[in-house]
Amino acid sequence: KAGVTQTPRYLIKTRGQQVTLSCSPISGHRSVSWYQQTPGQGLQFLFEYFSETQRNKGNFPGRFSGRQFSNSRSEMNVSTLELGDSALYLCASSLAFLPTDTQYFGPGTRLTVL
Amino acid sequence: KQEVTQIPAALSVPEGENLVLNCSFTDSAIYNLQWFRQDPGKGLTSLLLIQSSQREQTSGRLNASLDKSSGRSTLYIAASQPGDSATYLCAVRLSSGTYKYIFGTGTRLKVLA
Repeated sequence: KAGVTQTPRYLIKTRGQQVTLSCSPISGHRSVSWYQQTPGQGLQFLFEYFSETQRNKGNFPGRFSGRQFSNSRSEMNVSTLELGDSALYLCASSLAFLPTDTQYFGPGTRLTVL
Repeated sequence: KQEVTQIPAALSVPEGENLVLNCSFTDSAIYNLQWFRQDPGKGLTSLLLIQSSQREQTSGRLNASLDKSSGRSTLYIAASQPGDSATYLCAVRLSSGTYKYIFGTGTRLKVLA
């Protein structure tokens, strides 16, 4: 069974641009979560989607948004990029929106903002 | 507000040693606690998931325990190997209705050959 895939793996953008990251969950998984990982703040929760609906949201500005499609694939978008948005963005999938589910992580997208 | 702390931040041990990594959390209202491993620049690999009703879980050389009342979990690694070198993260899943995961800052482990 293929794992969680994220594209692209690396991305370089300049301040003010916008970026879209993609995540394909494990086949059969319907819940997708997004995290930002930086050396200073560690791993921080961005949002979680289940059945195309956002179920949870972390404490990030409105420049960060996401969506989930009917096939459970998810995208996150960051508009008006800032230097501080440079980070590893991780996506995780789980079977359903149940607190007992295990999360499986993808390899991440490394975003560098110049 | 739930806070998750991992001590020590970094650890260096000779190969073959048994070691314990610690994770503490401030609010016992959790559904579960999960231990992950992260290799440099890579994603997270799930190691063990302990439900709030469980006391411990074992997988191979790994054993994780959970004491919800005291807000503590430990990850025990037996007979450490250089391949165990990585950052180990614990995460608690809130039971406050949001089911959010709160991650610790990690312990960077280096096992010397």
